[in-house]
Amino acid sequence: EIVLTQSPGTLSLSPGERATLSCRASQSLSSSSLAWYQQQPGQAPRLLIYGASSRATGIPDRFSGSGSGTDFTLTISRLEPEDFAVYYCQQYGSSPLTFGPGTKVDVK
Amino acid sequence: QVQLQESGPGLVKPSQTLSLTCTVSGGSISSGSYYWNWIRQPAGKGLEWIGRIYTSGSTDYNPSLKSRVTISVDTSKNQFSLKLTSVTAADTAVYYCAKRGEIWGQGTVVTVSS
Repeated sequence: EIVLTQSPGTLSLSPGERATLSCRASQSLSSSSLAWYQQQPGQAPRLLIYGASSRATGIPDRFSGSGSGTDFTLTISRLEPEDFAVYYCQQYGSSPLTFGPGTKVDVK
Repeated sequence: QVQLQESGPGLVKPSQTLSLTCTVSGGSISSGSYYWNWIRQPAGKGLEWIGRIYTSGSTDYNPSLKSRVTISVDTSKNQFSLKLTSVTAADTAVYYCAKRGEIWGQGTVVTVSS
């Protein structure tokens, strides 16, 4: 099973600031099969990024993903009020599919 | 636009079987080569993948739950289903169905309690 580790656990920032979230895999991911999700309280997760760097339909371009192998990054260039949420990475290249523990982005 | 909706009992007794259905609307569950997932999330915790079924009907389960899980599909009803046997309080969670990772249902809360 591929274990995903996310850091930091919590990121306290102000609107307009840049957010950088990290996801590290316990082994190299095939075909950069890494996704990022945003989850607001009481809502289902929303797909932001797939294939490590491709934005999902309707996702603003302030969200970007990068990385390969075992190290991946989600960057939010300028935080909007609606971006304060929990973010999960997920690998889907190897069964069982696994999620990271999440990074909470909250208001400083 | 494809939409997913989970349904099933919100309360299940310990040792019994949890049964949920995901109804797909706005598209056919059997069109294309997709997989359809079940994922759960205990209150205040992270996401756990339960398993998936492909449009071909083949299945793939999380080893941690494999002995208790069955996922099936009913193409005539455009639905896929989850059965989890011998439930305990640890199975209390919000259960989501999802088309790959791109479209999710709103989730349904299942509580295991006598």
